Amino acid sequence: QSVLTQPPSVSGAPGQRVTISCTGSSSNIGAGYDVHWYQQVPGTAPKLLIYANRNRPSGVPDRFSGSKSGTSASLAITGLQAEDETDYYCQSYDSSLEVFGTGTKVTVL
Amino acid sequence: QVQLQESGPGLVKPSQTLSLTCTVSGGSISSGYYYWSWIRQHPGKGLEWIGNIHYSGTSFYNPSLKSRLTISVDTSKNQFSLKLSSVTAADTAVYYCARKSGSYPSYYFDYWGQGTLVTVSS
Repeated sequence: QSVLTQPPSVSGAPGQRVTISCTGSSSNIGAGYDVHWYQQVPGTAPKLLIYANRNRPSGVPDRFSGSKSGTSASLAITGLQAEDETDYYCQSYDSSLEVFGTGTKVTVL
Repeated sequence: QVQLQESGPGLVKPSQTLSLTCTVSGGSISSGYYYWSWIRQHPGKGLEWIGNIHYSGTSFYNPSLKSRLTISVDTSKNQFSLKLSSVTAADTAVYYCARKSGSYPSYYFDYWGQGTLVTVSS
């Protein structure tokens, strides 16, 4: 059972903005641990999308942005594209172990 | 460009030991900046961290697996390995190796292997 909760699904039309929340607690995100985000196309390995709350690795489009506040974090995708339709996971740290979110499937309508 | 590649049996019998190796190329496993990790994903489910190891041998395990788990490193081969004993069908998953980067309190997985499906079945 993951300690980081994400909505199972979010959807939006092409060009729109969608956000994915990652809700934790005082023992993980609220304790000051950073949040990181991964994009996973089914059948492939996760790909680092955002690290340290808001930083994009080289090659990640600036349509993807991250933020963190209190015990939660968010991933925003602006200018939604068909290729963004896949799964997304947040990750942080809690009580001596790395923890992942429950995962969110983004659907482009 | 760092690359990681998992290898090992795709089928393991119940009660036996699951053994996987991750070969790192394009960089040295002996770099002190990184931990080397195992992560698994049950079919259709989310990601579960298994454990990390530093080239020095320092390791950290998921408490839920600790009693059955051994992660080791072989710097001469630029490899690290996973052994999970007494497996059951619940250990059927895609197993990924990954590089853990960053610094406290911000660790993340920046390079991943392609993953290997391990099925536990008689």
